[in-house]
Amino acid sequence: DQQVKQNSPSLSVQEGRISILNCDYTNSMFDYFLWYKKYPAEGPTFLISISSIKDKNEDGRFTVFLNKSAKHLSLHIVPSQPGDSAVYFCAAPNQAGTALIFGKGTTLSVSS
Amino acid sequence: DSGVTQTPKHLITATGQRVTLRCSPRSGDLSVYWYQQSLDQGLQFLIQYYNGEERAKGNILERFSAQQFPDLHSELNLSSLELGDSALYFCASSVASGLAGGEQYFGPGTRLTVT
Repeated sequence: DQQVKQNSPSLSVQEGRISILNCDYTNSMFDYFLWYKKYPAEGPTFLISISSIKDKNEDGRFTVFLNKSAKHLSLHIVPSQPGDSAVYFCAAPNQAGTALIFGKGTTLSVSS
Repeated sequence: DSGVTQTPKHLITATGQRVTLRCSPRSGDLSVYWYQQSLDQGLQFLIQYYNGEERAKGNILERFSAQQFPDLHSELNLSSLELGDSALYFCASSVASGLAGGEQYFGPGTRLTVT
């Protein structure tokens, strides 16, 4: 049973536009969420996180929104740049806090 | 560069064989985590070590084992390899034993191909 789901395997956006990547979760006990970005031949790198007590966290062009009642979070990238083309993973710590549970990822392609 | 190193980068071996993947965590990090990413799958947690001791186990097969040495580097041993073990294996590190709001830092991964 997938506790963290990214239902869109891919997303294509034009440079300068907004990219919205979505993530759903099933466990209401998750107390924070993270987004990781992964380029080919590299490991995932931390991008941004949000605590469950907040509904929004912003860092430059990246904003994560959390809707706890819907068990849904989204990552907004504005404006999108070709260098943002990568796989984006949504993740949450397991209840023991010993590891991250990852979604399957969404491949973002930003065209110029 | 995350500061986490993994060797080798690529590994090709035959079914039934045994391989060892190596990971050196970031300087100062005491926790090491191993993850497996199969085709079209997210990263699946395998096992965690903290300061030389096993702390948590995830979906790790009995054919797989790991250890963390006094210098904090870790090795993941995969034996009796099957075709389905072909995957990317990532190592990650963090300062503390629990995540508690802190992120993990990932190495570049080892791509294992079993033929």
